[in-house]
Amino acid sequence: DAGVIQSPRHEVTEMGQEVTLRCKPISGHDYLFWYRQTMMRGLELLIYFNNNVPIDDSGMPEDRFSAKMPNASFSTLKIQPSEPRDSAVYFCASSLGQGLNEQFFGPGTRLTVL
Amino acid sequence: GNSVTQMEGPVTLSEEAFLTINCTYTATGYPSLFWYVQYPGEGLQLLLKATKADDKGSNKGFEATYRKETTSFHLEKGSVQVSDSAVYFCAVTSSGGSNYKLTFGKGTLLTVNP
Repeated sequence: DAGVIQSPRHEVTEMGQEVTLRCKPISGHDYLFWYRQTMMRGLELLIYFNNNVPIDDSGMPEDRFSAKMPNASFSTLKIQPSEPRDSAVYFCASSLGQGLNEQFFGPGTRLTVL
Repeated sequence: GNSVTQMEGPVTLSEEAFLTINCTYTATGYPSLFWYVQYPGEGLQLLLKATKADDKGSNKGFEATYRKETTSFHLEKGSVQVSDSAVYFCAVTSSGGSNYKLTFGKGTLLTVNP
């Protein structure tokens, strides 16, 4: 298996622009997680899905952030409009079954908002 | 909510030195404990885990014992290698119900010099 795939790997955009991050989980996994990593705040869970349904989005920082999972093999995280403080590395992870199982992380998308 | 406190880095060691990275947690219910490792430019990978008190997780020469009485899960390795240079994250999740959220510590950067 190719593992969790994220695109793009790097994104540089200007403040106010819309940004869409993409994730393909490992085939067969039924949980998908979006995290944000910054030096100041460390690794934060933004939202997670079970069987394509959002379960907990309490970590989404504000209404500018939205996430969707239209099918079992694809998810997006959108920021509109983007701000410089959104600059971070965004990770997608997936897991199979119950939450105590290993989460497999993608390589991340490094987002820079100028 | 759950929280994790791990020793701040960076930690710099010589090859074959002994490693300890301290981790303490607060959590409700019966938490499970994890150590994840992040190599440069990559996503996190599960290193080891323990799901109940007194369990010892081990992998690649690393060990950690779930100590409920001290709410700790310290990571140890008897002889580190240059290839162990990475950021190490302690994490906790509570069992039961539908809480599949991992709470991570801030991470500890380990650099091993030849």
